[in-house]
Amino acid sequence: DADVTQTPRNRITKTGKRIMLECSQTKGHDRMYWYRQDPGLGLRLIYYSFDVKDINKGEISDGYSVSRQAQAKFSLSLESAIPNQTALYFCATVGESYNEQFFGPGTRLTVL
Amino acid sequence: GQNIDQPTEMTATEGAIVQINCTYQTSGFNGLFWYQQHAGEAPTFLSYNVLDGLEEKGRFSSFLSRSKGYSYLLLKELQMKDSASYLCAPSGSARQLTFGSGTQLTVLP
Repeated sequence: DADVTQTPRNRITKTGKRIMLECSQTKGHDRMYWYRQDPGLGLRLIYYSFDVKDINKGEISDGYSVSRQAQAKFSLSLESAIPNQTALYFCATVGESYNEQFFGPGTRLTVL
Repeated sequence: GQNIDQPTEMTATEGAIVQINCTYQTSGFNGLFWYQQHAGEAPTFLSYNVLDGLEEKGRFSSFLSRSKGYSYLLLKELQMKDSASYLCAPSGSARQLTFGSGTQLTVLP
């Protein structure tokens, strides 16, 4: 089984709809991150969490919210999706050692 | 904030050596990562440097100079499967990564 899973893997939605992307990990890591990737722009940090009570905004948090339901689960929500949120979204976890960095397989989101 | 600069594209021949450079300006520096990413897939970890110098791992080596804000990734004995995007990513104090736009490497037969 994969260490970091994301659901859904692909999603097409319409402008104004609420969307939730989910991330689960079996690594037992405390730190979890959400990134988005746009062509030519690399990955950009949306939100990160050190534990269930510690949520922090990243570089591009506007239009997004997150929930850390448990150590193993970190969800990203788009309250009212807009077309420029069309992107590839990645969840990542970090362990105590810097060599322990894991990315999920990604969610491809299209907002029409 | 953080600024990261790496070449957009590079081309090399199978069996050759290629060096991908990265310069960065950052606050709260906590090491620098290199990732490999194939199109549509998740980034995969290649290397991490926190101290100045060269780290070698098989066909891949990575170098860091903190005073110069400079790193490079060296790939030896190139294989066709090395065709991918290579991402330079300094790490901040919260272990968050800031990624460059990536260098698309094409390996030709």
